[in-house]
Amino acid sequence: DSGVTQTPKHLITATGQRVTLRCSPRSGDLSVYWYQQSLDQGLQFLIQYYNGEERAKGNILERFSAQQFPDLHSELNLSSLELGDSALYFCASSLGGQPLDEQFFGPGTRLTVL
Amino acid sequence: GEDVEQSLFLSVREGDSSVINCTYTDSSSTYLYWYKQEPGAGLQLLTYIFSNMDMKQDQRLTVLLNKKDKHLSLRIADTQTGDSAIYFCAEIRGTASKLTFGTGTRLQVTL
Repeated sequence: DSGVTQTPKHLITATGQRVTLRCSPRSGDLSVYWYQQSLDQGLQFLIQYYNGEERAKGNILERFSAQQFPDLHSELNLSSLELGDSALYFCASSLGGQPLDEQFFGPGTRLTVL
Repeated sequence: GEDVEQSLFLSVREGDSSVINCTYTDSSSTYLYWYKQEPGAGLQLLTYIFSNMDMKQDQRLTVLLNKKDKHLSLRIADTQTGDSAIYFCAEIRGTASKLTFGTGTRLQVTL
């Protein structure tokens, strides 16, 4: 158990809908990262937050947005969902936001878009 | 993971050594990692190596880095059935914190 929690574990929805994925980092960690794992694209970085501020952005679509709240939990919002958005979405957290800070991964949220 | 490549599948017998290979293209990689993903679980960091190192050993794990050829390998000694999983190499480039992952290698350990 990494100490990172993600909810829900599974999510099934229809095309065009909007969903929110939630992540609670390990106690004391200030940085949160979101990754997407799909069969087509593999495992890729979406976005990083550090202490409430966006720190780095990767291959995140404009239909997707994220935020980190004052209590440091984070939410990833996916809108106008398409079939290709079906994937496993991981959240990771680290103590700081530096490259050498180990990232601890949550168990993921499996999103299925029908 | 388009810039970091791995072979898709490796099968070894229990007790043998496993060698999982990874090639990357960006010479600005500063840290290179190996992660393990078991079914239904998240990613677990196994080990990492700085780009200025050639080798790192950690119990049953040995990481070799050939910076000239941009080749990274993970050797697992005395492979056990519990080592069956998908293994990802990953890199961090420059001062960014985002991980760029390889395509993953599924390791199957047979009796």
